[in-house]
Amino acid sequence: AQTVTQSQPEMSVQEAETVTLSCTYDTSESDYYLFWYKQPPSRQMILVIRQEAYKQQNATENRFSVNFQKAAKSFSLKISDSQLGDAAMYFCAYRSARSGGGADGLTFGKGTHLIIQP
Amino acid sequence: DADVTQTPRNRITKTGKRIMLECSQTKGHDRMYWYRQDPGLGLRLIYYSFDVKDINKGEISDGYSVSRQAQAKFSLSLESAIPNQTALYFCATSDPGTSGTLADTQYFGPGTRLTVL
Repeated sequence: AQTVTQSQPEMSVQEAETVTLSCTYDTSESDYYLFWYKQPPSRQMILVIRQEAYKQQNATENRFSVNFQKAAKSFSLKISDSQLGDAAMYFCAYRSARSGGGADGLTFGKGTHLIIQP
Repeated sequence: DADVTQTPRNRITKTGKRIMLECSQTKGHDRMYWYRQDPGLGLRLIYYSFDVKDINKGEISDGYSVSRQAQAKFSLSLESAIPNQTALYFCATSDPGTSGTLADTQYFGPGTRLTVL
């Protein structure tokens, strides 16, 4: 079974600074997807960014970018120019690219609580 | 309007009661999922469905059942609620698609906070 580990229970950053959230995963598969979801106090799960394992290029979405290291099984999220609205729990998630046999759901890490200091 | 809706948003019930959580979506997705979130943990998969005739157990299905009434509706039932089922419950949908950067990405509803006393 796949596992996802987020080793930073909490991170704090000054507004306008850059912060990197860590995520590592364990899998024997070669084809999969990785995601970062944001959960603000409203508790809504919001997709931040997605990466396909077969793509070497790191995904970017405006101020959010990832550093995907397939060999190291590492998938970190970088938030540039942090804003107060970025304060939330951030979850890293894995999904196999195959279907069936229980592979179809997301496997989540335990989350990192990001605090933005004004 | 929200693409994925869940009702109720909050519910308090007693041990032994039967309760149903409902999920509806207007995204036109075939795949629907139920997850549970406990404090300090990520989400865990309870059940999922690829179409009306296809229901699959997830990681933690014991004590739960589901019904896929239509492509757009997927309900989760607790036949006899117990206190350790107190949690935040999320419904999600996805579309496997054939191309595109968002194919097979899961989109979540707002969640239902369930408390079992």
